[in-house]
Amino acid sequence: GAVVSQHPSWVICKSGTSVKIECRSLDFQATTMFWYRQFPKQSLMLMATSNEGSKATYEQGVEKDKFLINHASLTLSTLTVTSAHPEDSSFYICSAVGTSGTDTQYFGPGTRLTVL
Amino acid sequence: TQLLEQSPQFLSIQEGENLTVYCNSSSVFSSLQWYRQEPGEGPVLLVTVVTGGEVKKLKRLTFQFGDARKDSSLHITAAQPGDTGLYLCAGAEGAGKSTFGDGTTLTVKP
Repeated sequence: GAVVSQHPSWVICKSGTSVKIECRSLDFQATTMFWYRQFPKQSLMLMATSNEGSKATYEQGVEKDKFLINHASLTLSTLTVTSAHPEDSSFYICSAVGTSGTDTQYFGPGTRLTVL
Repeated sequence: TQLLEQSPQFLSIQEGENLTVYCNSSSVFSSLQWYRQEPGEGPVLLVTVVTGGEVKKLKRLTFQFGDARKDSSLHITAAQPGDTGLYLCAGAEGAGKSTFGDGTTLTVKP
């Protein structure tokens, strides 16, 4: 149980284009999902908290107009990187909070974004 | 924002050795999770500890939550190359949000 999927697993795009990443909780409903960015050999950097049916809460320094988050249902959150540039290249990971009551986050497999 | 200090940051050992990874904070957490992450993949949950003083075992891995719920340790007995990876601890702050440690990169050499 508590499986989270992410799509695509990797994407290569040209500078200036937009990329959408999907995060789905497959066997549970998640009112809260999180989006992280991770640089090589480093820990996770929280970008934003996504709540179903409401606006996302962004961490300090994260541009909300560049990283658009939509959490339209209890099983799906999307992250759109708008007008991507090479510096946006990174490993993006989502997580969803389960229903165990312990605030345990279950992570997706991640999406490797490369902007040329 | 709560802080969670994880140590050591890097650890390279020979197969068969034992090791311990620590996570320490001055803040109290409602629960604490340990994850293992391999390159190019998302973190995989190993354990959640909830009660102060709790000890959980997962084969050769032993997890302990401090009595005051401010710290935790992960002990691996007789490490194997398959244990290689990035180990992350995360303290639950409430409302689903967690504070993550900086991670411990473990390399087990055959």
